[in-house]
Amino acid sequence: ETGVTQTPRHLVMGMTNKKSLKCEQHLGHNAMYWYKQSAKKPLELMFVYNFKEQTENNSVPSRFSPECPNSSHLFLHLHTLQPEDSALYLCASSQVLSGKETQYFGPGTRLLVL
Amino acid sequence: AQSVTQLDSHVSVSEGTPVLLRCNYSSSYSPSLFWYVQHPNKGLQLLLKYTSAATLVKGINGFEAEFKKSETSFHLTKPSAHMSDAAEYFCVVLFGGSQGNLIFGKGTKLSVKP
Repeated sequence: ETGVTQTPRHLVMGMTNKKSLKCEQHLGHNAMYWYKQSAKKPLELMFVYNFKEQTENNSVPSRFSPECPNSSHLFLHLHTLQPEDSALYLCASSQVLSGKETQYFGPGTRLLVL
Repeated sequence: AQSVTQLDSHVSVSEGTPVLLRCNYSSSYSPSLFWYVQHPNKGLQLLLKYTSAATLVKGINGFEAEFKKSETSFHLTKPSAHMSDAAEYFCVVLFGGSQGNLIFGKGTKLSVKP
């Protein structure tokens, strides 16, 4: 499936590095999401963008900084991360109309912080 | 409080036998319900969804789920397991019609023995 793409697929970074995750959706949706998937924990919603405006930030530490330049692209900028931030980061998109829309997920970026 | 519970963290079946993955939710609203599947090193793929139409929902790859309001359940079934069904399955609930208000279960890992 190529509806939602994420790059890179794998990333290893040190705690002092700065890196960015990229997500692109080709579905014409107007909302995009970042989720964190850690081992043995449910998926955690991090950020929501609706029409390029951030509408939700679930108490995410400031070392994670999202950016949504347009409705098709979403970035997650990373700096001074901790080893416990190692996880699979999933991007999703949906077309918000009534609030019951399906979210479509990308393949994820597997992040390892050393 | 709104929640979703997947009753089994791991289910093991033999190829050709039925699959049952259990999911219960707690909500004072009428939710939308989803099942997603995640194969190793892949993102989440939508299997099926219930949005207050027919209570028996058919999805991809021969899976189906039945919404039972009286039991607050949305169990996923398949008559005959295939080796390619081995993956992790997530029951997901969208509450209250709010964009981004998805609640994920902790996941059930399905193993299929030859």
